[in-house]
Amino acid sequence: DQQVKQNSPSLSVQEGRISILNCDYTNSMFDYFLWYKKYPAEGPTFLISISSIKDKNEDGRFTVFLNKSAKHLSLHIVPSQPGDSAVYFCAAAVKQQRANNNDMRFGAGTRLTVKP
Amino acid sequence: EPEVTQTPSHQVTQMGQEVILRCVPISNHLYFYWYRQILGQKVEFLVSFYNNEISEKSEIFDDQFSVERPDGSNFTLKIRSTKLEDSAMYFCASSAIGQAFRNEQFFGPGTRLTVL
Repeated sequence: DQQVKQNSPSLSVQEGRISILNCDYTNSMFDYFLWYKKYPAEGPTFLISISSIKDKNEDGRFTVFLNKSAKHLSLHIVPSQPGDSAVYFCAAAVKQQRANNNDMRFGAGTRLTVKP
Repeated sequence: EPEVTQTPSHQVTQMGQEVILRCVPISNHLYFYWYRQILGQKVEFLVSFYNNEISEKSEIFDDQFSVERPDGSNFTLKIRSTKLEDSAMYFCASSAIGQAFRNEQFFGPGTRLTVL
């Protein structure tokens, strides 16, 4: 099941610079996309999401961009901070009108390291 | 802040034994999920549960798996006869009804299952 792909297993950036994490998906039924952050020994925590009716969603230092025609989304973190060092998972879902939260599929994750 | 809790944090068992992983979702949430992450691999959806029944399950969730909400607070995952390949981190998650456009699932810290 490779419906959601994160092709970069790791990324290293300098503190203060921009981090760009990429994600591709194959299932055109996906209409809702999420990013989760995971620290060691903890469960994933929700970071930011975007609906397919938008192409950009911003929350503080975090911005998610969606390119539906390319089936690609990216997470931008600017400026990056050492505390952002974690594994970032992209997830995609088929959103139902009845608020059914099924069908969320995760990518393999990208380990971000922000160096001071 | 309310959180999802899971016990135990680490479970070691012999192949063929039954294990029960326990989760206490956030109290006003109505949707419950189990995911697993095999070491070094992506987070995989196992099952979702709503209104005291399974709403969806993945191909991983075969007959050796079952879920139950035995009382008003606990949500359990039972593996009847564990196999070596069941060794993984198991995450419980929950979400509230009505978050139609956030689809935010709150994850617990995980239970690491080691099958020997």
